[in-house]
Amino acid sequence: GQSLEQPSEVTAVEGAIVQINCTYQTSGFYGLSWYQQHDGGAPTFLSYNALDGLEETGRFSSFLSRSDSYGYLLLQELQMKDSASYFCASYNTDKLIFGTGTRLQVFP
Amino acid sequence: KAGVTQTPRYLIKTRGQQVTLSCSPISGHRSVSWYQQTPGQGLQFLFEYFSETQRNKGNFPGRFSGRQFSNSRSEMNVSTLELGDSALYLCASSLGDIDKYEQYFGPGTRLTVT
Repeated sequence: GQSLEQPSEVTAVEGAIVQINCTYQTSGFYGLSWYQQHDGGAPTFLSYNALDGLEETGRFSSFLSRSDSYGYLLLQELQMKDSASYFCASYNTDKLIFGTGTRLQVFP
Repeated sequence: KAGVTQTPRYLIKTRGQQVTLSCSPISGHRSVSWYQQTPGQGLQFLFEYFSETQRNKGNFPGRFSGRQFSNSRSEMNVSTLELGDSALYLCASSLGDIDKYEQYFGPGTRLTVT
């Protein structure tokens, strides 16, 4: 089977940096994606890591370590609008499997 | 470019009924996937269609079915509805094998079964 585990909730203040972790157990790993979902909204794609290392996209960065079966999403200069749920996701034989999701609350 | 659209946005049905949900992918996208989202189970993969063929299927009972048309539009059907089918149903489109890791989601259909 395949599972991706995330912390259920993370809180931080505006301007801070927060890291959302994702540990996975998969057979046939094809890389790690991250999605953001605001309450009542649809998930939106943030980033994808096929290889080990850090991928940076503006205020968001994503990291992958295949040897540790671990990845994280790093959000810098947090803004109130970053309050949302964040999901890691990975393919297992062409089925996109989502993590348990982390709810991020940003406080002023 | 228009995004993924889903209709209807909200639906209330009674146990035992059936329902059909529709999804129009982004123009040029040939892959359409369906997901069920509930507070307890999170986002779960239902199935994926590519060029009118079901390419992958998740662990859902046979009451859940779908199809894809030649214009890539897709429908999902749930027969003999159960209370536990109440959920947000999301469809997502992608180019297919190229950039399949980047999926574009529609706003979803909120299904309530009473």
